[in-house]
Amino acid sequence: GAGVSQSPSNKVTEKGKDVELRCDPISGHTALYWYRQSLGQGLEFLIYFQGNSAPDKSGLPSDRFSAERTGGSVSTLTIQRTQQEDSAVYLCASSFLEETQYFGPGTRLLVL
Amino acid sequence: GEDVEQSLFLSVREGDSSVINCTYTDSSSTYLYWYKQEPGAGLQLLTYIFSNMDMKQDQRLTVLLNKKDKHLSLRIADTQTGDSAIYFCAESPSGSARQLTFGSGTQLTVLP
Repeated sequence: GAGVSQSPSNKVTEKGKDVELRCDPISGHTALYWYRQSLGQGLEFLIYFQGNSAPDKSGLPSDRFSAERTGGSVSTLTIQRTQQEDSAVYLCASSFLEETQYFGPGTRLLVL
Repeated sequence: GEDVEQSLFLSVREGDSSVINCTYTDSSSTYLYWYKQEPGAGLQLLTYIFSNMDMKQDQRLTVLLNKKDKHLSLRIADTQTGDSAIYFCAESPSGSARQLTFGSGTQLTVLP
């Protein structure tokens, strides 16, 4: 079936504005992950959802970041009052239970 | 805490073999992964190895794991220009794939 999809592919916003990033996981995958990739750096874990369990939010960098997953499928990552240091590629991945993670193409966020 | 390290750059001639190295610190890692990221794209899972294996071969790819030294390598035989990309090593700490820890990535450049 289709892979993980993310939208928008690119987002340019002004400092202080809120943004929403969307992830559609692979159908049937129970787990969903968000990572952030800053320029020239590796991937930083943000948040993890598994089924109906409480999400693991241990990687969220500040309370401006939040995420939800509706109906155990689509997820939205929200960044409030964006700052320039939030500029990065935001990657979503999904997996069946806790097996291999498959990644989407990412959303490139630029905060001016 | 967990740490995964890779060299930043590797250049090889087309047709030669490439060897990308990775070291990790979490001795309880269950799975170790190699992902490929082409410019402007998300992460593509290349291969993975279970921690009780020493070697895994998949077409042109060979993964070697030295668990004693916590050293993982990816060998690409007959490297092609299409192999030019960033290669990320990742581990699943503490026996769970729920939160991958990534290295900073190795930029592989294949010269004609």
